[in-house]
Amino acid sequence: DAGVIQSPRHEVTEMGQEVTLRCKPISGHNSLFWYRQTMMRGLELLIYFNNNVPIDDSGMPEDRFSAKMPNASFSTLKIQPSEPRDSAVYFCASSLMGGETQYFGPGTRLLVL
Amino acid sequence: DAKTTQPPSMDCAEGRAANLPCNHSTISGNEYVYWYRQIHSQGPQYIIHGLKNNETNEMASLIITEDRKSSTLILPHATLRDTAVYYCIVRPKTDSWGKLQFGAGTQVVVTP
Repeated sequence: DAGVIQSPRHEVTEMGQEVTLRCKPISGHNSLFWYRQTMMRGLELLIYFNNNVPIDDSGMPEDRFSAKMPNASFSTLKIQPSEPRDSAVYFCASSLMGGETQYFGPGTRLLVL
Repeated sequence: DAKTTQPPSMDCAEGRAANLPCNHSTISGNEYVYWYRQIHSQGPQYIIHGLKNNETNEMASLIITEDRKSSTLILPHATLRDTAVYYCIVRPKTDSWGKLQFGAGTQVVVTP
């Protein structure tokens, strides 16, 4: 298995632009998690899905952030409009629901200028 | 969820055992102790987890005290590739397990 796949790996954009991050979970996994990592705040959970349904989005910082999971093999995290403080590494992870281990992707490094 | 306390950093000589402590004095009966690590510029990686018995796998051993208020992750023969931030996480068992809450972790540097 290729593991969790994230794209793009790096993104540089200007303030105000829309940013879309993509994630393909491990085949067969039915839980998906989006995390954000910064030096100041460390690793934070933004939102997670079970069977494509959002379960907990309490970590989503504000309305500029939205996440979707249209099917079991794809999820997006969108920021519109982006701001410099959104600069961070965004990780996607997947697991079996009821499974004990989360598997993380390589992350997307986002820089908003 | 119970909080954890870890030292911010520690050094270890290559080939020696690395013993990483974690305090979780407010842990409850249905909460497991998990360890993940994050090598620089990579996503976190699962290492091991346990409830109250000691656990061992190909990566590490986990020793949990009898009162479950603290635990130690042991890397038996540290290599340079074990240099990473190690996170101790307490997580309740639910039907779907759900989220991990990462703290600051311990930066482990393995030196030649």
